[in-house]
Amino acid sequence: DSGVTQTPKHLITATGQRVTLRCSPRSGDLSVYWYQQSLDQGLQFLIQYYNGEERAKGNILERFSAQQFPDLHSELNLSSLELGDSALYFCASSVQGGTQYFGPGTRLLVL
Amino acid sequence: AQSVTQLDSQVPVFEEAPVELRCNYSSSVSVYLFWYVQYPNQGLQLLLKYLSGSTLVESINGFEAEFNKSQTSFHLRKPSVHISDTAEYFCAVSDDNTDKLIFGTGTRLQVFP
Repeated sequence: DSGVTQTPKHLITATGQRVTLRCSPRSGDLSVYWYQQSLDQGLQFLIQYYNGEERAKGNILERFSAQQFPDLHSELNLSSLELGDSALYFCASSVQGGTQYFGPGTRLLVL
Repeated sequence: AQSVTQLDSQVPVFEEAPVELRCNYSSSVSVYLFWYVQYPNQGLQLLLKYLSGSTLVESINGFEAEFNKSQTSFHLRKPSVHISDTAEYFCAVSDDNTDKLIFGTGTRLQVFP
């Protein structure tokens, strides 16, 4: 157990819908990262937050957004969902610049 | 820009045989290197990491990797694999400029009895 929790574990929704994925980092970790794992793109970095502020952006679509709250948990919002958004979404946390520990992931299926 | 290459998408091996999973990286600055393992239907678990110091790093379950700066490699090795080592293995790189991890495409290790 990495200490990073993610909910929900599975999510099935329809095209055009909006979903929110939640992540709670390990105790004491200020950085939260979101990654997407898909068959065609592999593991890709989406976005990083540090202590509530956006720190870095990767290949994140404009339809996707994220935020980190004062209690340090983070949410990834995916809107206007398309079939191609079906993937495993991972959250990771770290002390600033340190080793990243991954949560179990949320498996999203868009039908 | 950083990149990671894992040349072998699949590595089949018999139980108790040695294995090497190859990883090469490209970066213009000092790097940090990681191996993560993903068991079927599970998340990513850190296997081992190189941050600085000794170029040979070991994990608690018998894997080791050696950082070779001249060859820009960080190959993962185990002298004798078990059935339970069957999983997908990902090599990743980051650096001081950015915390984000750049992952390779993964190598599926399949251990046969």
